[in-house]
Formats: sequence, structure tokens, C-alpha cells
Amino acid sequence: SAVISQKPSRDICQRGTSLTIQCQVDSQVTMMFWYRQQPGQSLTLIATANQGSEATYESGFVIDKFPISRPNLTFSTLTVSNMSPEDSSIYLCSVDWGAGETQYFGPGTRLLVL
Amino acid sequence: GESVGLHLPTLSVQEGDNSIINCAYSNSASDYFIWYKQESGKGPQFIIDIRSNMDKRQGQRVTVLLNKTVKHLSLQIAATQPGDSAVYFCAESGTSYGKLTFGQGTILTVHP
Repeated sequence: SAVISQKPSRDICQRGTSLTIQCQVDSQVTMMFWYRQQPGQSLTLIATANQGSEATYESGFVIDKFPISRPNLTFSTLTVSNMSPEDSSIYLCSVDWGAGETQYFGPGTRLLVL
Repeated sequence: GESVGLHLPTLSVQEGDNSIINCAYSNSASDYFIWYKQESGKGPQFIIDIRSNMDKRQGQRVTVLLNKTVKHLSLQIAATQPGDSAVYFCAESGTSYGKLTFGQGTILTVHP
């Protein structure tokens, strides 16, 4: 496993603004992913963060709303753009080291949009 | 497969009892399955995994059973402790590398 940190741990934002969430891993990883967990619900994959290329988005998620960066093998950011109250969720990053390997999760960022 | 709703299934047990948490999946092509534990305010924590070429795997106090015929996964926790109280999620991975599909989750409450 690895130590995965996320910043901020929580935030309260106004609608129409944007928030960038950071995910930092203490070792190089092959894959990084971003998930959303709406209140009282399960996790849904937003996208796979690819190093050096555009992220791969799941159905229902678009780059304009959730731009993602991955400049190296230990760091990624997710931006939640033009926020609305419906974006209030926990946003989680996860990592793994290759095909068929276990994914490990960060502590999450708890976002409340007013 | 996964389904989401506002009300998660719940399981209440007494400390020391054994707990069984169940999960159904729909993708017959899934070949890797994971159980996660999520405590309040934290991210999911890996518990145990199993690949489709196995039907049982044991860890410390936990056992995962896989029945591919009926597409069912279960997590057994022996001698459940108050610290086991959390939401438990199963997740499956198949042909789409790295993509985990999560089950809806089960709230486990352990009473002292």
C-alpha cells in the first residue's frame, strides 16, 4: 500500500465557483482514479487520470465539468467547475500499481456547495 | 451490479458474534472482487480480495466467499468487534482495466 493524502479535507463553497482537489501519493503509482460518493451512497468512478495525456472519463462525466491533471506518477488534481448544490459529495482519489492490483483510497475531500 | 439508493442495508450484531455481509454482482465477466470498509469520515479501506479462479479466501478474522454461478459474494467477519462498525462495500473489476464497480454498501453496527 501507500500513503495517500488529499487536500483540502473538506470545504464549503458557493455555487458557481470552482474547487481544485489535490491527491498526493508517497510513491510512484501506475494508475490514479477519481471517484464521487454522494451523501449516503456508494462510489462512482469519475475518470482515470492518465499521466501525460487527457483523462479517461466515465459515462455521465465530462472534462469541462471535472478537468483532471496528472503531471507525474505521484500527483493528480480534480477540479469541480461551476459548482451547484448537486455537486455536494465526497471526492476520493485511488491508486494502484498495475493490472489486477488492488486499489487503495485516499481519505476523501468532503465538499458542500451552498 | 451496483445500485445506489438513499437507504443502505443494515446489519446489527452483538460483539463476539459472526457477521455475514452479502453482495450480488451482475457482470459475469468480472474476474476480481474486493471488499472495502469505510468508517465515518474516512476513505474506503481494503479488507480482502479474491479472484475468479477461487471460491474462498481467508484473512485475519475475515473470509470472502465467491459463488460465480449465482454471481454472489459474501464477507464473513468472525468474532465481530465494535471497531468493525462501518459501511462495507464490495467492488468488482472486469474487462475494463482498473475500473471498479461498487455495490451499494451495507452498514454494520456492532453492539457491545
